[in-house]
This record gives sequence, C-alpha cells and structure tokens, in this order.
Amino acid sequence: SQTIHQWPATLVQPVGSPLSLECTVEGTSNPNLYWYRQAAGRGLQLLFYSVGIGQISSEVPQNLSASRPQDRQFILSSKKLLLSDSGFYLCAWGSRQADPYNSPLHFGNGTRLTVT
Amino acid sequence: EDQVTQSPEALRLQEGESSSLNCSYTVSGLRGLFWYRQDPGKGPEFLFTLYSAGEEKEKERLKATLTKKESFLHITAPKPEDSATYLCAVRGSGTYKYIFGTGTRLKVLA
Repeated sequence: SQTIHQWPATLVQPVGSPLSLECTVEGTSNPNLYWYRQAAGRGLQLLFYSVGIGQISSEVPQNLSASRPQDRQFILSSKKLLLSDSGFYLCAWGSRQADPYNSPLHFGNGTRLTVT
Repeated sequence: EDQVTQSPEALRLQEGESSSLNCSYTVSGLRGLFWYRQDPGKGPEFLFTLYSAGEEKEKERLKATLTKKESFLHITAPKPEDSATYLCAVRGSGTYKYIFGTGTRLKVLA
C-alpha cells in the first residue's frame, strides 16, 4: 500500500531563518506531488506541484520554493521566513498510473509552522 | 478560473439529525469532484470521487451526489464521531491542479 511521510510535525522558527520541509511517498512510482498551505478559514491554497523529477510549477509567487530531487521526494524551502509564512503545510500525492484526472490526492499529516 | 464554494461554513447537529453539506463549483470540463474529511491537526482523508452528473457514492452514514453545478454530502443519522471539517475539491480538464473549497465544520452533539 502507498504511504506518505511528512516531517517535522511541528516547527517554530524565527523570522529570517531558513526552512526545509520534506515529504516522501512509498509504494508508488512517478506520482504527481503537491504542496498546499492551509490557513484558518481559508481552505487549502495550492503552492507548488510537480509531475516529474525536476519539474516544478509554482502557483503563488512568494519567498517559498520547491524541489523534487528524486521521484518520490518533494521539498519545500525558504531562505528567509516571514511572519506570513506561518500555517499548516500539507504534502499530497496523486497517482499517474490510473486515470490521472480522476485520481484523488492523498495527504500527509502536515507540518504546523509557526514563525515568531 | 476554477472555483469551489462550500456552505454552510459551520453546522451543529444533534446526534441522529440528518442534514446535507453543499459544494458549488465552477470548472472548465470537470474531470473529478472529491470529498475529504479532515480532523483537527491532521491531513485531509479521502472519502469519495464523483465523475459525472447523476452519480452517487455511499460510505456508512455518508452519501455524495453530483449535479452539473454542485455536489451534496448527505449525512444520515450522524454520530459524534462524524464531527470534522468536510472539504470539497475539483479538478478540471487539462490541468494537474486540484482546487479546494474552504470546508464545512461539522459538530455533532451527543
């Protein structure tokens, strides 16, 4: 069965510090990978998605970046965090082996980031 | 632009009191509408995929239905353990993006 791992679960970082959040998927190959941010009352905001190694699409211009160094690894980074970067960050994967359009996303348990 | 609107924002029900949650959507060429359940501090958990108008899916006390403009999540005789936020998402043709609504926070009282 497929599993998705996301860490850390919680993180408190000072303004101006760097960030690295990691997500890995097991039990499937060549997945589509996604980073979402969830703020209270605002639903899930799509930040980045990737349909292959080294292929990153950015949805929201900001001081965050994403990378996909391996097929099942997705990393969210920042060089200097802002207060507004606080939130709940969720990684998700979607299958490309079934009909990709009808495949649901499967989420990790998220990282609660607090920038102080 | 693809858009999803969920209502109500919050809903309080007595145990056993059935109700429905609404998800209205605007999308270019719907390829899938997805319902999720999210518990506090957790990632969303997939419930259903609906593909075409008229389709229905059921799981325990939940039934999801789909029309050309909206989807309903019907909750029959809910229990306190059904308390959660329910999210709706859509994916249109020619895109890898999944667009989410802001969710409905459901509280079922014993």
